[in-house]
Amino acid sequence: SAVISQKPSRDICQRGTSLTIQCQVDSQVTMMFWYRQQPGQSLTLIATANQGSEATYESGFVIDKFPISRPNLTFSTLTVSNMSPEDSSIYLCSVKQPAGEKLFFGSGTQLSVL
Amino acid sequence: QKEVEQDPGPLSVPEGAIVSLNCTYSNSAFQYFMWYRQYSRKGPELLMYTYSSGNKEDGRFTAQVDKSSKYISLFIRDSQPSDSATYLCAMKTGTASKLTFGTGTRLQVTL
Repeated sequence: SAVISQKPSRDICQRGTSLTIQCQVDSQVTMMFWYRQQPGQSLTLIATANQGSEATYESGFVIDKFPISRPNLTFSTLTVSNMSPEDSSIYLCSVKQPAGEKLFFGSGTQLSVL
Repeated sequence: QKEVEQDPGPLSVPEGAIVSLNCTYSNSAFQYFMWYRQYSRKGPELLMYTYSSGNKEDGRFTAQVDKSSKYISLFIRDSQPSDSATYLCAMKTGTASKLTFGTGTRLQVTL
């Protein structure tokens, strides 16, 4: 399985600021995803990060709030913009293995917004 | 109604017990079924992966899929304190890249 490095592992931010989360994979992967995990809720897909083009966002998530970059096949960033306490959550990067359907996750970023 | 239902627990069992974790789902198009284990402050770790119906065994873990009942299970034999974690079921259709997750069951294995 791919080794996925995500940083920062945690952060405490002020309302109205932005945080950029980085995801680095040790091998080239076609598909990278960003998930959110809120307490007591299912993991929710925010968007699919597409290499060289705009990300594909799920219903309820918009580019202005969660801009995503994917400059190459091993790296992606997710920015949480103009944060509010409701954005406090764990954000997870995940990748799909090149052959097959298995999905692997990074260690996550615990975000707290005050 | 959620697409995937999972009892959040917590489930507390003594060391050595057999643990049964379950999920039900409503979408008959789901074909791929996974179980993830998530320790506190860590990302989910893929534990078991099955396609369509049937059983799959890996060491102390057995995954079962019953598509006719839309029901999947994860059995843990000889449970250990190190098995204490949250277990998430996840599933997808054949065409979608998106996984649909249960809310997770928190398991505590006591000495």
